[in-house]
Amino acid sequence: KQEVTQIPAALSVPEGENLVLNCSFTDSAIYNLQWFRQDPGKGLTSLLLIQSSQREQTSGRLNASLDKSSGRSTLYIAASQPGDSATYLCAAATQGGSEKLVFGKGTKLTVNP
Amino acid sequence: GAVVSQHPSRVICKSGTSVKIECRSLDFQATTMFWYRQFPKQSLMLMATSNEGSKATYEQGVEKDKFLINHASLTLSTLTVTSAHPEDSSFYICSASVHRWGEQFFGPGTRLTVL
Repeated sequence: KQEVTQIPAALSVPEGENLVLNCSFTDSAIYNLQWFRQDPGKGLTSLLLIQSSQREQTSGRLNASLDKSSGRSTLYIAASQPGDSATYLCAAATQGGSEKLVFGKGTKLTVNP
Repeated sequence: GAVVSQHPSRVICKSGTSVKIECRSLDFQATTMFWYRQFPKQSLMLMATSNEGSKATYEQGVEKDKFLINHASLTLSTLTVTSAHPEDSSFYICSASVHRWGEQFFGPGTRLTVL
């Protein structure tokens, strides 16, 4: 059974700092891995999707990497801004006949001005 | 593109009533739609997967008679919480994808409070 863990659960940084959020998964047989942003009381906004054959994806100040062999993904945020404050979720899409996304519990990021 | 809407965004109901939540893909046809629930400070848990025109597949522990899912068209899926109780209070989020293995696009969620 796939399990996804995100560390740390919460992170507070000053504005302008570069930061890394971590995501680990127990079953390396994934179809893809996605990073989402969730603002309080809101739905999910997809940030980046990495296919199993890819190593990384970039969008603006965000860069996500995927290392299937070690069961890890990282989300790098450059030059953080107060508007980046949100909960960041990673989710692994499992193979084996299932289209399920297994989510981590998220990392709550606070960027202080 | 790839916009998914949910209605209502918030609903408060009395215990014992039924509540229907709609999920629509606005600018694409969704072969598959997914329903999740999220408790405070917890992650999203998949409740069921529905494919247009066929019965939904429920996750273990989810009562199919309590959470009725209808995927009547390629742009609409509904979740009906029947005889709702306070423990059903949660944040319900749907997602939609063009095909089974495709990227899921998420709706804004529905906050259900059962008094």
